[in-house]
Amino acid sequence: EAQVTQNPRYLITVTGKKLTVTCSQNMNHEYMSWYRQDPGLGLRQIYYSMNVEVTDKGDVPEGYKVSRKEKRNFPLILESPSPNQTSLYFCASSLAQTHEQYFGPGTRLTVT
Amino acid sequence: EDQVTQSPEALRLQEGESSSLNCSYTVSGLRGLFWYRQDPGKGPEFLFTLYSAGEEKEKERLKATLTKKESFLHITAPKPEDSATYLCAVQAISGNQFYFGTGTSLTVIP
Repeated sequence: EAQVTQNPRYLITVTGKKLTVTCSQNMNHEYMSWYRQDPGLGLRQIYYSMNVEVTDKGDVPEGYKVSRKEKRNFPLILESPSPNQTSLYFCASSLAQTHEQYFGPGTRLTVT
Repeated sequence: EDQVTQSPEALRLQEGESSSLNCSYTVSGLRGLFWYRQDPGKGPEFLFTLYSAGEEKEKERLKATLTKKESFLHITAPKPEDSATYLCAVQAISGNQFYFGTGTSLTVIP
């Protein structure tokens, strides 16, 4: 089954404790992206990647890091999380040609 | 600055009552406009891509249209299972970044 998986689905952590949210896709998609979704603000793009070892900043990259060492994986790293990073995070992937994005199920992160 | 505005924020329809959702956009050259459906607690699901003014796409009770400044998602004779939040996104011709609107929450009452 074609899918995008994210782990963990729910995470409660404390300010400053480094964390990684994993994202994996099994569709051989070149394009992968991370979004955060907040009430009233909609989906905002954090980082995206056009292919292995190629990453670019989206609209709200501050406080986040990403890496793309393998085509199927695109982890999101919060090196020192803060409460304003409490949000619902989605990973997505697509073919570079069509950009019809497949989204993962989401990771709900709470930073206290 | 690239921007997407969706209206209305929320829409309640009786089953069978057709209506339209609006997506207005400002972008420095449009590469594509995308419609997604999002059910509560789930990730968005792709519906349509439109590339140029005058283009139309249809899927079951949904039809998306595009002009140079806005897109409409027309819902014909909706059913309760069409209840969801509908999201619009644009991709500028200059890059591979996406800008989403805040969505329209549609409720179809039996």
